[in-house]
Amino acid sequence: EVQLVESGGGLVKPGGSLRLSCAASGFSFSRYSMTWVRQAPGKGLEWVSSISSSSSHIYYADSVKGRFTVSRDNAKNSLYLQMNSLRAEDTGVYYCASPPDYGDVDYWGQGTLVTVSS
Amino acid sequence: DIQMTQSPSSLSASVGDRVTITCRASQGIRDDLGWYQQKPGKAPKRLIYGASTLQSGVPSRFSGSGSGTEFTLTISSLQPEDFATYYCLQHKSYPPTFGGGTKVEIK
Repeated sequence: EVQLVESGGGLVKPGGSLRLSCAASGFSFSRYSMTWVRQAPGKGLEWVSSISSSSSHIYYADSVKGRFTVSRDNAKNSLYLQMNSLRAEDTGVYYCASPPDYGDVDYWGQGTLVTVSS
Repeated sequence: DIQMTQSPSSLSASVGDRVTITCRASQGIRDDLGWYQQKPGKAPKRLIYGASTLQSGVPSRFSGSGSGTEFTLTISSLQPEDFATYYCLQHKSYPPTFGGGTKVEIK
């Protein structure tokens, strides 16, 4: 059974940092690009970042570029999102997911809530 | 960036109704589009990929069509479990962009 389990969310003050993790199991993690998607409370979905299987290609949304860093450890089947200089508008649920261009593959975690507030 | 304009933003429908949701891309995206369903408190679930290919395990009452800039998700006969919010997503080029969502509510 495929599982993606996010962790690391929580309450942080503006300007603070958090590191999200996503533990993958049940599929060949090292063969897949991976993606972070977020959702502000009551709002729609927003793509945040993607990383290729070998970490050779990395992409960020303009809204997080320069503040967030995506990485992965294929030996540990894990994906990470280091979030620095957090702002109130970064508040939301963060999902790790398989990318949308792998045919029938569609894997999502349950999400982890990040709240940026003083 | 490619903008995805989704309509309507919400609709009310009855069980058994035929429902159509549209996404328009600001430039051509071939068929690099997926449709997702999201229920409150849950992760999104993809229904359609490649604009018209049904994800495995998804009921056949869901269908997708379109190519280029105009895309449609159709639910042929709305069921109680289909009341949810639906999103399109283009992945023709970075950044991938979602439509604004369509909330399907019970009439």
